[in-house]
Order: sequence, then structure tokens, then C-alpha cells
Amino acid sequence: DAGITQSPRHKVTETGTPVTLRCHQTENHRYMYWYRQDPGHGLRLIHYSYGVKDTDKGEVSDGYSVSRSKTEDFLLTLESATSSQTSVYFCAISGSPAGGDGNTIYFGEGSWLTVV
Amino acid sequence: EDQVTQSPEALRLQEGESSSLNCSYTVSGLRGLFWYRQDPGKGPEFLFTLYSAGEEKEKERLKATLTKKESFLHITAPKPEDSATYLCAVRGNAGNMLTFGGGTRLMVKP
Repeated sequence: DAGITQSPRHKVTETGTPVTLRCHQTENHRYMYWYRQDPGHGLRLIHYSYGVKDTDKGEVSDGYSVSRSKTEDFLLTLESATSSQTSVYFCAISGSPAGGDGNTIYFGEGSWLTVV
Repeated sequence: EDQVTQSPEALRLQEGESSSLNCSYTVSGLRGLFWYRQDPGKGPEFLFTLYSAGEEKEKERLKATLTKKESFLHITAPKPEDSATYLCAVRGNAGNMLTFGGGTRLMVKP
């Protein structure tokens, strides 16, 4: 157990509405990530963070924004949800609690988002 | 751009029938090749990290090996509880994130 909690775990929302997914970690890891997983595409990186208020784009960042105001929380926001954003979203963490570049990335249990 | 290709996409085995899963990769400066197991409705579970060609790691019925272009996940005498999707990923010089392959769905019949 890497101490990662994602919320909500399941959500159905309407097209055009804003949605925020939350990732909370309890072990002070430096790096946090948001991936999405879709059939035929595998896991793809959306955004990641390398520290408080330090974030960068991944492979599929269009339509998503992130924020990290505290070490333990990494938020993923869909400003105006579209049907193409129906997916499973995984938060992940890495980096030793002491701030070093811990190499293994651990994943949360996922958030299932359906945009209708 | 880092790329990872896994084969086969799906593999059906009888209990006890050993086999191997393949992960071919291209990466700019390998900083780790990772294997994960994913059960339906769950997040990926970390299995192994390999760093250099010739390296091997084992865990129960699983053994991962690495060459300069590919990695194999060998499954010896599998059991039905080994049924899952196995994911391969690489980390290169570009940053701290992983690039994943599409996965191999393993089904072990009793």
C-alpha cells in the first residue's frame, strides 16, 4: 500500500461541466502523476508534479489542468468535460519521502469517470 | 520519443504451462524498465525494476530479464491466480515519467 487515495472513485457527469479529481498521499513523496487508461491506448501521462506548485504537461494534457498547493494533494481538473474524457484516471507517486529521486512509481486504485 | 510494444496482446495458458511475455522498447538513455501486474478494476501493482542488460529478478513464479532491446517476463508453472494484465514501462532521460506498452492479458485455465 503506497498510501494513495483517489476521490471520487466513480463519477458520472454531463458534457460541459467542470470535474475535479483528487489524489491524496500520506507518505510525503515528491513526485505525483495523473495518467489515464483507455482500451487500445494503454496508460498515458496527463500531467505530473515535481513539487508544491511545480507541474508540467504530459503526453495528453489538452483539456486538463492540475494544481498542487500541498505536498499531499494533487488535483486534476477537467474545465469542461467532453465524452472523449470518459476514462479511468490513475494517480501515481514516486520519490523518496526524504526528497530523493526514488525510482519506482506506485499507482492508486483509479477513478472511473463517465461523461454523458 | 520512447516507445514500448508488448506481445502477445492476449495469452491463454493451461495451469502449469510455462510461457513468456515480451516487451520490446526504444528509449533514450534507459533509467529503468518496469513490470506491473493489473487486475480488473484495480490500479497497476509494481512487480520489478530492471536497469541494465543481463539483469534478472524473480518473484514466486515470475522472472523478468532484460536485454538492450527487450525484456521478458517468464511465468513458470502458472496458476489461475496469475491471471491478470501485465504491463511493461520504461523511464528514459526525458524525465521522471514512465512510457507504457499496451499490456498482455494473461488467462490461466485450471
